[in-house]
Amino acid sequence: NAGVTQTPKFRVLKTGQSMTLLCAQDMNHEYMYWYRQDPGMGLRLIHYSVGEGTTAKGEVPDGYNVSRLKKQNFLLGLESAAPSQTSVYFCASSYSPGLATEAFFGQGTRLTVV
Amino acid sequence: TQLLEQSPQFLSIQEGENLTVYCNSSSVFSSLQWYRQEPGEGPVLLVTVVTGGEVKKLKRLTFQFGDARKDSSLHITAAQPGDTGLYLCAGLLMTTDSWGKLQFGAGTQVVVTP
Repeated sequence: NAGVTQTPKFRVLKTGQSMTLLCAQDMNHEYMYWYRQDPGMGLRLIHYSVGEGTTAKGEVPDGYNVSRLKKQNFLLGLESAAPSQTSVYFCASSYSPGLATEAFFGQGTRLTVV
Repeated sequence: TQLLEQSPQFLSIQEGENLTVYCNSSSVFSSLQWYRQEPGEGPVLLVTVVTGGEVKKLKRLTFQFGDARKDSSLHITAAQPGDTGLYLCAGLLMTTDSWGKLQFGAGTQVVVTP
């Protein structure tokens, strides 16, 4: 009963370092999303994917890249981390483009950039 | 500026009182969802509304979708401490340039004290 799994759960980076956040879902979902959550800002969409091999930009894509090489995985990369990228990152997935589709979330990755 | 504006940002009430949370936008959404998030967890879906004017009830929670599909409200009757959490509305865009884009409001933090 894994659902959506994010790794790692916590990470501290130095400014300028790079890292990749991994999101894996075992529900055969088509759609996957990466959000960041900051106090008072709610969930802001970084990038999303409507199927394997496709990605699209969300509201706040700058400084991030993504890849969806396999249907079950959605990777979020930070090439050169900045303190402004300190946040909690959530991955989500949903089954289909149907209107009543539910998004399932991982437990989040808390990233601190010093 | 967020596509979905939620109000109020924070709500503190006594057990047994009623409350209403609002979610407004200038955009038309194919569907609108409400999620609740507990500390340290990802959001969990409460309800999806699809049709303009639709009203859905979930025990003491009543959800309404505006006729023009631009706004929604969540009403809780006789709130209980277990209703404490961050309530988030999310709208699904299915336009040509935003297919499958699920965007969230900033959230309303609800605290219900015994």
